[in-house]
Amino acid sequence: KQEVTQIPAALSVPEGENLVLNCSFTDSAIYNLQWFRQDPGKGLTSLLLIQSSQREQTSGRLNASLDKSSGRSTLYIAASQPGDSATYLCAVYPGSSGSARQLTFGSGTQLTVLP
Amino acid sequence: GAVVSQHPSRVICKSGTSVKIECRSLDFQATTMFWYRQFPKKSLMLMATSNEGSKATYEQGVEKDKFLINHASLTLSTLTVTSAHPEDSSFYICSAVPQARGYTFGSGTRLTVV
Repeated sequence: KQEVTQIPAALSVPEGENLVLNCSFTDSAIYNLQWFRQDPGKGLTSLLLIQSSQREQTSGRLNASLDKSSGRSTLYIAASQPGDSATYLCAVYPGSSGSARQLTFGSGTQLTVLP
Repeated sequence: GAVVSQHPSRVICKSGTSVKIECRSLDFQATTMFWYRQFPKKSLMLMATSNEGSKATYEQGVEKDKFLINHASLTLSTLTVTSAHPEDSSFYICSAVPQARGYTFGSGTRLTVV
């Protein structure tokens, strides 16, 4: 059974810092990996989708990398801003057809960027 | 593009009543939608997979008679919490998968049963 772990569980940084959020998964046979952002009491907003054949994706100040062989992904946030404060979730798509298209989520990293 | 609309965003109901939550794909067709439940400060737990024109597939431990799912069209899935009790209070989120775009989530529904 796939397990997804995110470290740290919570992170507080001053504005302007670059930071890295970590995600690890136990079964490397994944289809895709997706990073989401969740604001309190809200749904999930997709940030980046990395297909299994890709190593990284970039969007603005965000960069996500994927190393399937080691079961790891990182989300890099450059020049953090208070508006980046949210919970960040990573999720993997299983590679087996029997459970295709069902995400397994990590428990999230709660980020607070202090002004 | 690829928007999933979920309604209502908040609902308060009395214990014993039923509540219906709607999930619509606005600009794409979704033969499959997913319903999740999220407890405070916890990650999302998949409840069931909603299949257009057929029965939903429920995850282990999820009561199908308690959480009724109907996926009558390619753009609408509904989750009905029947005979709600306070322990059903939670945050419910639906999602769908526009082709090749990854999962898209609704904005969630905060259910409070009093």
